[in-house]
Amino acid sequence: DAKTTQPPSMDCAEGRAANLPCNHSTISGNEYVYWYRQIHSQGPQYIIHGLKNNETNEMASLIITEDRKSSTLILPHATLRDTAVYYCIVKTPNTGNQFYFGTGTSLTVIP
Amino acid sequence: ETGVTQSPTHLIKTRGQQVTLRCSSQSGHNTVSWYQQALGQGPQFIFQYYREEENGRGNFPPRFSGLQFPNYSSELNVNALELDDSALYLCASSQGTGGYNEQFFGPGTRLTVL
Repeated sequence: DAKTTQPPSMDCAEGRAANLPCNHSTISGNEYVYWYRQIHSQGPQYIIHGLKNNETNEMASLIITEDRKSSTLILPHATLRDTAVYYCIVKTPNTGNQFYFGTGTSLTVIP
Repeated sequence: ETGVTQSPTHLIKTRGQQVTLRCSSQSGHNTVSWYQQALGQGPQFIFQYYREEENGRGNFPPRFSGLQFPNYSSELNVNALELDDSALYLCASSQGTGGYNEQFFGPGTRLTVL
């Protein structure tokens, strides 16, 4: 699976959009981009995933660049409850749910 | 609908001992995956069980072993504990193994090895 690079930490003002970047320059054609988050003292929570088209669900939007070498997770109106570590993972569907998480981005939403 | 539960929540063992951690999968889920999360790191895949058989394994030594029962609950066993085994152990359940099936994580078991 391709490696990802994320900034170690970010701050966002409450009510504003949080834009979390992820670099995956070695991504291959059949690898998807997945995002999970982990709130302190809890297990990770699935957010969204995509292949090449932008995706949106009730939690977030995922924007993948045309060359697929980077992506951005967007939380449109961040709340204090969105404070968490956000993980970007690139993998193929062939390995099912076998995920290897990096160190992620620690997002702090500031009141 | 009951979510993923794990027991115990905390555990302290000494080096060389053996430990068993337990996981009850979410209702309707037949697949359980186990992860190890060291302090300050992301979770690392240990192995996955599907219908009572191991179905994929990460880069962990054989002293990490598991079981899945007919009701799809699972155990993680670690023999000959080492100090580096101190971590949060997470299990996640999902339905099926093909492609991506959303997995739901439990709260984890915090293991401390002294």
